[in-house]
Amino acid sequence: QLQLQESGPRLVKPSETLSLTCTVSGGSISSSSYYWAWIRQPPGKGLEWVGSMYSSGSTYYSPPLRGRVTISMDTSKNQFSLKLTSVTAADTATYHCARSRVSLLSGIGYWGQGALVTVSS
Amino acid sequence: QSVLTQPPSVSGAPGQRVTISCSGSSSNIGAGFDVHWYQQLPGAAPKLLIYSDNSRPSGVSDRFSGSKSGTSASLALTGLQAEDEADYYCQSYDNTLSGHLVFGGGTKLTVL
Repeated sequence: QLQLQESGPRLVKPSETLSLTCTVSGGSISSSSYYWAWIRQPPGKGLEWVGSMYSSGSTYYSPPLRGRVTISMDTSKNQFSLKLTSVTAADTATYHCARSRVSLLSGIGYWGQGALVTVSS
Repeated sequence: QSVLTQPPSVSGAPGQRVTISCSGSSSNIGAGFDVHWYQQLPGAAPKLLIYSDNSRPSGVSDRFSGSKSGTSASLALTGLQAEDEADYYCQSYDNTLSGHLVFGGGTKLTVL
């Protein structure tokens, strides 16, 4: 059974960079044709797609976040990561790592429990 | 403002049938892109409930069903149970701005 677990600092100062890592177990992030994603949810609000990365390395980002977001993968550790630069309080959210059911458009089949990241000085 | 529009809340009594709508446009649902539905129980991660408009993943109750027509989609729940009380989100793909995944704002289902 595929499992995803987020890790990283839970408190980030304004204007700094938010960094999170997703450790995947039960499957290889490089050997299968899936899309690995980050989705966030501000407290008390709805879901927002941040971006996705194909197992080959191609990346796709949310239009409002392009220019600030980078998703990368470390196949040796079976992990993929999120970096979001120049954060503000509006970036405070629970960040879920996730995997597509099959293709990018096929739905999100697996979710991590999420990591609440607070942007505050 | 979400690209896909859902009612903020719906409610129903145990045993009843409720529907949750998801309204989009010609650049997402109306363009034929699949609609997916997620259930998020309090304090939990979202769970895929319906994929590709009307398919259920293994293990999801057949009390849940999905449909799509034109620029809108709907999620139906029959035989409402207390455990169905949760937030529900629709999701699709939008082909503007080089393409991106989009979610509805979410609907809170209350079982009376």
